[in-house]
Amino acid sequence: GQNIDQPTEMTATEGAIVQINCTYQTSGFNGLFWYQQHAGEAPTFLSYNVLDGLEEKGRFSSFLSRSKGYSYLLLKELQMKDSASYLCAASGNTPLVFGKGTRLSVIA
Amino acid sequence: GAVVSQHPSRVICKSGTSVKIECRSLDFQATTMFWYRQFPKKSLMLMATSNEGSKATYEQGVEKDKFLINHASLTLSTLTVTSAHPEDSSFYICSASHQRDLEQYFGPGTRLTVT
Repeated sequence: GQNIDQPTEMTATEGAIVQINCTYQTSGFNGLFWYQQHAGEAPTFLSYNVLDGLEEKGRFSSFLSRSKGYSYLLLKELQMKDSASYLCAASGNTPLVFGKGTRLSVIA
Repeated sequence: GAVVSQHPSRVICKSGTSVKIECRSLDFQATTMFWYRQFPKKSLMLMATSNEGSKATYEQGVEKDKFLINHASLTLSTLTVTSAHPEDSSFYICSASHQRDLEQYFGPGTRLTVT
């Protein structure tokens, strides 16, 4: 079967670092996407990991372990505008399978 | 980056009427387009996958006669909600990709309210 699992909600303080975890089980696997979605808006692309390891892009980094079926999104120097839902999605033999999203609240 | 537009952004219609939502890839040819719906505070639910020039593939539980999808060209797909019902009120989002398993570029979404 196919399953994407990520925490439902997280809260972090402005300026801090937060890690959002995602575990996945899919039929076939090509890569792992992370999207950001603000309330009432469509998702926007953050990262795509195909190979194991950490990929850094500014304040955001994404990590993938294919053998463990595990990924995380790391957000540094949190800002209030980072409050949003973060969706992890696995690409495989079927169209993207999305997790339910992690609602991140950044507080002062 | 690739741009996908959706029209309309918001629509209110009466029960029993039909509503058409357009999804366009503005600066690339989308071989595959996807249609999602999303209820408040819920994740994206894939409704169907459409490839240009062929019939859409619907996910289990999605009525193909109610949600008509047409992918007539490499830049345009339409979703028609027929005989709309208040339960169809939702946020409908399309996405487009060059290939099925590559990055999907999302449209801004269409908020449908059926009264």
